Amino acid sequence: GNSVTQMEGPVTLSEEAFLTINCTYTATGYPSLFWYVQYPGEGLQLLLKATKADDKGSNKGFEATYRKETTSFHLEKGSVQVSDSAVYFCALSRNSGGYQKVTFGTGTKLQVIP
Amino acid sequence: GAVVSQHPSWVICKSGTSVKIECRSLDFQATTMFWYRQFPKQSLMLMATSNEGSKATYEQGVEKDKFLINHASLTLSTLTVTSAHPEDSSFYICSASGDGAKNIQYFGAGTRLSVL
Repeated sequence: GNSVTQMEGPVTLSEEAFLTINCTYTATGYPSLFWYVQYPGEGLQLLLKATKADDKGSNKGFEATYRKETTSFHLEKGSVQVSDSAVYFCALSRNSGGYQKVTFGTGTKLQVIP
Repeated sequence: GAVVSQHPSWVICKSGTSVKIECRSLDFQATTMFWYRQFPKQSLMLMATSNEGSKATYEQGVEKDKFLINHASLTLSTLTVTSAHPEDSSFYICSASGDGAKNIQYFGAGTRLSVL
């Protein structure tokens, strides 16, 4: 079956530090890959996505590249801010019965300290 | 971007009562809606998938009679937790996808249910 594995948190960084959150996946075929962000007490927001190999998703300074050879979709940001503190979920979607079924990783909590 | 509204954001109820949670797509037609449950510090667990006008498809282990899902229109789905008990306390999140972007789910802000 499909699965998503992401690095365990929490990750604590100082402001302006470089961020990497690793994510690898297992799936048949060519899934679409996503990063979602969840701020405290809120639902999930789509951060970025990539739909095919070598695509790079980017948004708000975050980037992730769809690497089929390593089945990875690592999230990076060059300089984090306190406002980036949240839980980040890596996810993939595959067509199942006519709709896209999403499989989430367990989430990585990021805490950025001033 | 597509907006999904979920209401209420927080509900407290007595054990044995039923609670209804609404999920609305505000600016697109949601052909498919999804209901998730999230336990503290854990990922989202898909409970069920519903297509407009048809019965919901429940994931294994989810009680159909406990969690009633209705998707009567292209903009509204409801989840009713019947005879709620303290173990049903959780964060419930809905998402929706439409014909324009079938591989993307847009999420509501979630509903925190506390059963006393």
